[in-house]
Amino acid sequence: GQQLNQSPQSMFIQEGEDVSMNCTSSSIFNTWLWYKQDPGEGPVLLIALYKAGELTSNGRLTAQFGITRKDSFLNISASIPSDVGIYFCAGPPGGATNKLIFGTGTLLAVQP
Amino acid sequence: NAGVTQTPKFRILKIGQSMTLQCAQDMNHNYMYWYRQDPGMGLKLIYYSVGAGITDKGEVPNGYNVSRSTTEDFPLRLELAAPSQTSVYFCASRPSGNYGYTFGSGTRLTVV
Repeated sequence: GQQLNQSPQSMFIQEGEDVSMNCTSSSIFNTWLWYKQDPGEGPVLLIALYKAGELTSNGRLTAQFGITRKDSFLNISASIPSDVGIYFCAGPPGGATNKLIFGTGTLLAVQP
Repeated sequence: NAGVTQTPKFRILKIGQSMTLQCAQDMNHNYMYWYRQDPGMGLKLIYYSVGAGITDKGEVPNGYNVSRSTTEDFPLRLELAAPSQTSVYFCASRPSGNYGYTFGSGTRLTVV
């Protein structure tokens, strides 16, 4: 089946640093979404992208829909301790509109 | 608060036992989903439903069953529990027209 691979697997940074992570697929996606999961909670939607090349921001977070439609990127500027968590990309596989598959996740740890 | 409610939050089962994980949402969402998340891994789709009376298999449906008799409820049934079903189970829902999933806070299941 289709897979979404995220890198890096984990990041350990200092408060105030900028963060970049990405998500890649072997096939084309028409929609990319980025979710964050706090410890012990379910994921929460951060940003949704619907068009190749689209760049969308949500506060200190910026995500881009890759022009090949096989990747997406998430940047966090000036990280703070509450940014800690697992970040997942997600998308509807094979053109299906009824469901999402999730990436492998990037664990972010922020040292105050 | 409106949202997705999952019960129980924790459960320990013995091998071969059965149980039902409950999921209810009060947002009148048509789409509901069950995912499992193994330690250090992403979310895998078990089953989903696009409306009352309609269900379909996801990536990892074996060992599970679902039903959707009402818009609000989407229970997940485990028959003959196995250690491989030890996981955290998340229920989610979304409205038609966008991928803004709302997740419950999860059920942590251990099969011993």
